[in-house]
Amino acid sequence: HLQLQESGPGLVKPSETLSLTCTVSGGSITTNDYWWGWIRQPPGKGLEWIGIIFYSGSTYYNVSLKSRITISVDTSKNQFSLKLTSVTAADTAVYYCARQYGYGKWYLDLWGRGALVTVSS
Amino acid sequence: QSALTQPPSVSGSPGQSVTISCTGTSSDIGNYNLVSWYQQPPGTAPKVIIYEVSNRPSGVPDRFSGSKSGNTASLTISGLQTEDEADYYCSSHTKGNTLAFGGGTKVTVL
Repeated sequence: HLQLQESGPGLVKPSETLSLTCTVSGGSITTNDYWWGWIRQPPGKGLEWIGIIFYSGSTYYNVSLKSRITISVDTSKNQFSLKLTSVTAADTAVYYCARQYGYGKWYLDLWGRGALVTVSS
Repeated sequence: QSALTQPPSVSGSPGQSVTISCTGTSSDIGNYNLVSWYQQPPGTAPKVIIYEVSNRPSGVPDRFSGSKSGNTASLTISGLQTEDEADYYCSSHTKGNTLAFGGGTKVTVL
């Protein structure tokens, strides 16, 4: 069955760029049925949707983060990635990758386990 | 500040029913039947339990039900069980083609 796994540095310095990759296993990322997304959750707080990408490269981003984020896809590796620039302590969070059902349904039906990223010098 | 408004906490005894509200605007909940609900036990990733307002994915108990009226969606847990103790989040598609989440509601089983 399909699984998602986040990977990347657990510690990032302020003002630097946070980079995470989500590896999709047990199925192909090149499907018309799903988009692939990132969601984050600061410690003890709620969920924040970051954005989604289709295998073709089309994206939708959270307006409040749009100037700092890039989501990309590598179909040859069955992966998609997140880059968040100019990070501050407020970007400390568990970052989840997830599969978002397509066809205009807008819900996340499969999640990775999450990766904690701490922003600190 | 979250785009959608949920009560911080609700509680009930085993067997009782609890309802969690999720209030948005005409730019999200009020204009689309694309509300979903997620359950997140402590230390785990969220899991979808309701999509498109009232649909349950396979494997989700039928004691979980969803509804919507105007700009407010609701999740009802009937016959509350101890394993239902978790945080619950609503979400909705928005006019700007994004996904908004509520701030989350902690359900406590007394």
